[in-house]
Amino acid sequence: GENVEQHPSTLSVQEGDSAVIKCTYSDSASNYFPWYKQELGKRPQLIIDIRSNVGEKKDQRIAVTLNKTAKHFSLHITETQPEDSAVYFCAASMSNYQLIWGAGTKLIIKP
Amino acid sequence: DAGITQSPRYKITETGRQVTLMCHQTWSHSYMFWYRQDLGHGLRLIYYSAAADITDKGEVSDGYVVSRSKTENFPLTLESATRSQTSVYFCASSGDGNQPQHFGDGTRLSIL
Repeated sequence: GENVEQHPSTLSVQEGDSAVIKCTYSDSASNYFPWYKQELGKRPQLIIDIRSNVGEKKDQRIAVTLNKTAKHFSLHITETQPEDSAVYFCAASMSNYQLIWGAGTKLIIKP
Repeated sequence: DAGITQSPRYKITETGRQVTLMCHQTWSHSYMFWYRQDLGHGLRLIYYSAAADITDKGEVSDGYVVSRSKTENFPLTLESATRSQTSVYFCASSGDGNQPQHFGDGTRLSIL
């Protein structure tokens, strides 16, 4: 079946440094790629998304890049802050509008 | 987002019991979804619905039943609860097509 692979599973960075999380998808028909942040005990919240007709999208310190040929997309967080500590999930759309989810990346920001 | 609410927030029940988790959204979104999230894992789709009276199975639908008689409500029923169904359950909704999914606060279900 279709799947999304997400790496790394845990990422520890120094406060102020950049963090990059990568996802690879298998369904060539996928055309919508959201990223969610989930803090401990809370619900997943959308932080940024990108569609297949765009290669890059930015929102302040967060950016997402998409390479449709290679079937991978990445989340970039610059100037990391303690409040960025959370689990981040990537997802890719299927033709029936379901999302296939990555397994998540636990981001740890070291002071 | 107060637009999607789940109830109860916490539930403890026993194996073999029937339990229903409620989900209500006020956005008139067409699509609604039920996920389960187990400790240390991602989200797994149980059921989804594209509109009222239209539902379809996800990857982990065994043991679960859904209905959607009204656009705004999407209850999930565990017909005969098992310990393996202990999990956090999230409901989500989205507009037509590939739109962002908005999640409720979740129901933490423990089956003893």
